[in-house]
Amino acid sequence: NLMLTQPRSVSGSPGKTVTISCTGSSGSIASNYVQWYQQRPGTVPTTIIYEDSHRPSGVPDRFSGSIDRSSNSASLTISGLKTEDEADYYCQSYDDSDHAVFGSGTKVTVL
Amino acid sequence: EVRLVESGGGLIQPGRSLRLSCAASGFTFDEYGMHWVRQAPGKGLEWVSGISWKSRSIGYADSVKGRFTISRDNAKKSLDLQMNSLSTEDTAMYYCAKAHYGDYANAFDFWGQGTMVTVSS
Repeated sequence: NLMLTQPRSVSGSPGKTVTISCTGSSGSIASNYVQWYQQRPGTVPTTIIYEDSHRPSGVPDRFSGSIDRSSNSASLTISGLKTEDEADYYCQSYDDSDHAVFGSGTKVTVL
Repeated sequence: EVRLVESGGGLIQPGRSLRLSCAASGFTFDEYGMHWVRQAPGKGLEWVSGISWKSRSIGYADSVKGRFTISRDNAKKSLDLQMNSLSTEDTAMYYCAKAHYGDYANAFDFWGQGTMVTVSS
């Protein structure tokens, strides 16, 4: 079964850039699209990246997604870090049985 | 504006059943797949089940397969989750989520506010 591994936490100063990785346990992470969701404390998740690198309307272009086939991983990059970016971030994809799989989540702290 | 409003949560004893509902508005409900996703207190997101626009494709997480049943009524713009044989491990906030396309195996693009299910004796 597919498992998605994320770092437990990342941190950065305002204005800096942070990158969160999401590594697939089996197969090719590129065989199904990867999404990223942001969940601020006490709130509902929202979609910030879908289909590897697409941003829904309203999501700032400071957020970007990419796939690295050589490392079987996806990445979410947040540039120009703001205090409002403090949240948990989850990657998500599907396994070969069309079961949705979430990563364990990464807590982003703005120092 | 897309709105997803869950209901039906509450405190329930182990072994009992509960039915959750999600009322949808602000989009053409019968053109999109739908999901249930849960989050135990202090834990991460866990997919529960998904259903395609015409209910032809349905999927369940291994942890709920055989106990939970997802269904939808396109005329009423509603999504349900029948939960049987509940255990304490099912305690979580349950979110209704809209899929990006008609099949369910794609991005979740809108989420409801959730309904809390607490399984305890």
